[in-house]
Amino acid sequence: QAGLAQPPSLSKALRQTATLTCTGNSNNVGYQGAAWLQQFQGHPPKLLSYRNNNRPSGISERFSASRSGNTASLTITGLQPEDEADYYCSAWDNSLSAWVFGRGTKLTVL
Amino acid sequence: QVQLVQSGAEVKKPGASVKLSCRASGYTFSNYFLHWVRQAPGHGLEWVGIITPSTGDTTYAQSFQGRVTLTRDTSTSTVYMELSSLTSDDTAVYYCARENGSCDSWGQGTLVTVSS
Repeated sequence: QAGLAQPPSLSKALRQTATLTCTGNSNNVGYQGAAWLQQFQGHPPKLLSYRNNNRPSGISERFSASRSGNTASLTITGLQPEDEADYYCSAWDNSLSAWVFGRGTKLTVL
Repeated sequence: QVQLVQSGAEVKKPGASVKLSCRASGYTFSNYFLHWVRQAPGHGLEWVGIITPSTGDTTYAQSFQGRVTLTRDTSTSTVYMELSSLTSDDTAVYYCARENGSCDSWGQGTLVTVSS
């Protein structure tokens, strides 16, 4: 099944801002928006935002999401060492009737 | 609080089947979809399928069609995933996840190792 496109890696300096991108099409990201998940090695994913910028309770305001057309973005401000993780985007694909994921972006905080 | 507790690790031979469980607590089981997602070692997330606990309706990813079956037991708030005709490519951590807008709660994962 078709997936979402994410850059494999991104490196940013401490306290800087990172913007992660996720490109899909009108049947998935462009349809209902994307969710963003954070995952640390050996742990299950954690939901950061869904349908573009709905944050579950307990998620820091440093994480904000948006969408423009078929591309979703996750912006992390004031980068901290603990933000170093893998970030996945996901979306329901209405034409495939399937949930699709990006391959993930590994964020390194320098 | 919402909890999804999954069954323990499994080791299977090629060609065998495996049945995993995911027990939900802390919320009304019938009110939320449950997904299964897997992650092969060093790889990303791959969607397996979804079950509607209230009705038992299921939708599967095309790549698993014919090999996967999701079921549920409402009396114990448990969903099950059975995967058949295992190959080494099925070696992965399998997660269940509750959908509330998106997947807001995840099980701890179950490692399935397929090896001869």
